[in-house]
Amino acid sequence: GQNIDQPTEMTATEGAIVQINCTYQTSGFNGLFWYQQHAGEAPTFLSYYVLDGLEEKGRFSSFLSRSKGYSYLLLKELQMKDSASYLCAVPDSNYQLIWGAGTKLIIKP
Amino acid sequence: GAVVSQHPSWVICKSGTSVKIECRSLDFQATTMFWYRQFPKQSLMLMATSNEGSKATYEQGVEKDKFLINHASLTLSTLTVTSAHPEDSSFYICSARAPSRDYEQYFGPGTRLTVT
Repeated sequence: GQNIDQPTEMTATEGAIVQINCTYQTSGFNGLFWYQQHAGEAPTFLSYYVLDGLEEKGRFSSFLSRSKGYSYLLLKELQMKDSASYLCAVPDSNYQLIWGAGTKLIIKP
Repeated sequence: GAVVSQHPSWVICKSGTSVKIECRSLDFQATTMFWYRQFPKQSLMLMATSNEGSKATYEQGVEKDKFLINHASLTLSTLTVTSAHPEDSSFYICSARAPSRDYEQYFGPGTRLTVT
């Protein structure tokens, strides 16, 4: 079967760093997505990775290890606007996204 | 690039009426579009996959006669909720995939449907 696991909720302090983990078990691998979704809004694309390694995009970084079925999203210098759900997703061979349940990130002042 | 729009952004309709939601890829050709539904505090649920020029593929449990999908062009897909009922009230989101962009999907801003 195919399965994606993420923590349900995380809390962090403004200005701090938080790491959101995602583990996946899929038949085949076509890359891994991270999306951000604010309450009441559609998901917005953060990253898509196919190869192993760490990639930085401003305050956000993503890491992927295909051999371990593991990815994380690292958010630095947290801002209140980063409060959102972060969704990990893996496409299947039909291009349909298999979604994790999402991690709700709560930022406290 | 890779902008997807939806119209309307919100709609209120009476029970028994039909509502059409449009999804457009503005700066790329989308051979495949996906329709999702999301209830409050729940995960995205894929309703159907729409390929240009062919019939949509519906997920298990989604009534194809109730949720009519038409992907008539490479930039437009429509979802029509027929004979809407209050339980159809939800957030409907489309996403689009461009063949030149591998597996990447880009989401529209969503349409909030309220059926009274």
